[in-house]
Amino acid sequence: QVQLVQSGAEVMKPGASVKLSCTASGYRFTTFLIHWVRQAPGQGLEWMGEIKPYGGATKFAEKYLGRMTMTRDTSTNTVYMELNSLRPEDTAMYYCARVHLFGYQDHWGQGTLVTVSS
Amino acid sequence: EIVLTQSPGTLSLSPGDRATLSCRAGQTIGKNYLAWYQQKPGQAPRLLISGTSNRATDIPDRFSGSGSGTDFTLTISRLEPEDFAVYYCQQYDTSPLTFGQGTRLEIK
Repeated sequence: QVQLVQSGAEVMKPGASVKLSCTASGYRFTTFLIHWVRQAPGQGLEWMGEIKPYGGATKFAEKYLGRMTMTRDTSTNTVYMELNSLRPEDTAMYYCARVHLFGYQDHWGQGTLVTVSS
Repeated sequence: EIVLTQSPGTLSLSPGDRATLSCRAGQTIGKNYLAWYQQKPGQAPRLLISGTSNRATDIPDRFSGSGSGTDFTLTISRLEPEDFAVYYCQQYDTSPLTFGQGTRLEIK
């Protein structure tokens, strides 16, 4: 079955960088895009960007341009998301999600909580 | 970007009731590329509906979606206790993908 397993919770200082991972299994990794979606405490869902595992092409929401990087390792079926210059308002649950060929997220990781605090 | 507005913000109903959740878009969503997700506390979102009206795998048939253009609806025909959660609509027609702010379905 399709599974996305994300790395564990992180506590970071303002100004630092965090790198999260998302390891996929149960399907052909290079066939489907991966999205990153975040959710601040008590808030809604926000799309951050996407990576195409085949070739590594990326697309970002405008607010994350220049501050977010996504990479992938096809040997381990893992995608990475790095967010730089962290601020307290980046405190959120970060989800990776597999993207169906038509563009919606059909399987989600369990989420990684990132807390940014001095 | 396409702004999605969900209403009501909170819906208080009882098990067995019918729930009607609305999602209105600031501009036309092409190809009916509108999805609905359910999120329970402490859990990741779960896909319910894609393409406006197509139930995802293992989603009970009491969940149905309808609509077109700018107005979309998620209907739960007869609420079960496990249906009380937050529901989000999402458009995936135009980048950036956008979500509505959510409707909280609570037990009355």
